[in-house]
Amino acid sequence: NAGVTQTPKFRVLKTGQSMTLLCAQDMNHEYMYWYRQDPGMGLRLIHYSVGEGTTAKGEVPDGYNVSRLKKQNFLLGLESAAPSQTSVYFCASSYSGGLGETQYFGPGTRLLVL
Amino acid sequence: GEDVEQSLFLSVREGDSSVINCTYTDSSSTYLYWYKQEPGAGLQLLTYIFSNMDMKQDQRLTVLLNKKDKHLSLRIADTQTGDSAIYFCAESTGGYQKVTFGTGTKLQVIP
Repeated sequence: NAGVTQTPKFRVLKTGQSMTLLCAQDMNHEYMYWYRQDPGMGLRLIHYSVGEGTTAKGEVPDGYNVSRLKKQNFLLGLESAAPSQTSVYFCASSYSGGLGETQYFGPGTRLLVL
Repeated sequence: GEDVEQSLFLSVREGDSSVINCTYTDSSSTYLYWYKQEPGAGLQLLTYIFSNMDMKQDQRLTVLLNKKDKHLSLRIADTQTGDSAIYFCAESTGGYQKVTFGTGTKLQVIP
């Protein structure tokens, strides 16, 4: 049982390049989330999904797209990377979106956009 | 909008108690959470408290909630070097899509 895994762990992009971050969970969770973590700020929700085939915008969705084609995978795409997207990206999952329920986090992807 | 504030840094000696404080602005917060982030890792839920509770204790962890002052604290008894991490306070008025995180408090435990 690997929990939540993220690929890649670290990436450097040039402005304007595109990339996809992959999140996978093997806990059969319905809900999945993408956050970004910036220095001096808490985590901010980018997009989330309440089940296979669904996605919804979070607090800071601009510049990102997501897809949830399979229940276990949640992909975060950057079509045209900008230096403002330099951040650490965390994926998380939970069985449902209920209050008080444990949310499981991946180890993070560190992205640097030059 | 919602805002959650924490002090950035706390240093304690091993064996002492640590108290990490948090203030929030949303009076309709339903759940308040404490997460721990170890270096190079994702966040791990430590504990949470429902807004109609004043206190919750879980082994070495004690959470105190002052709803009137919108103040939440996490006390770690007998702090160990393994407790060194960043601790995030978070609040929610709805499901996980409506969680607001604080900026995190870095706890340094001195042997």
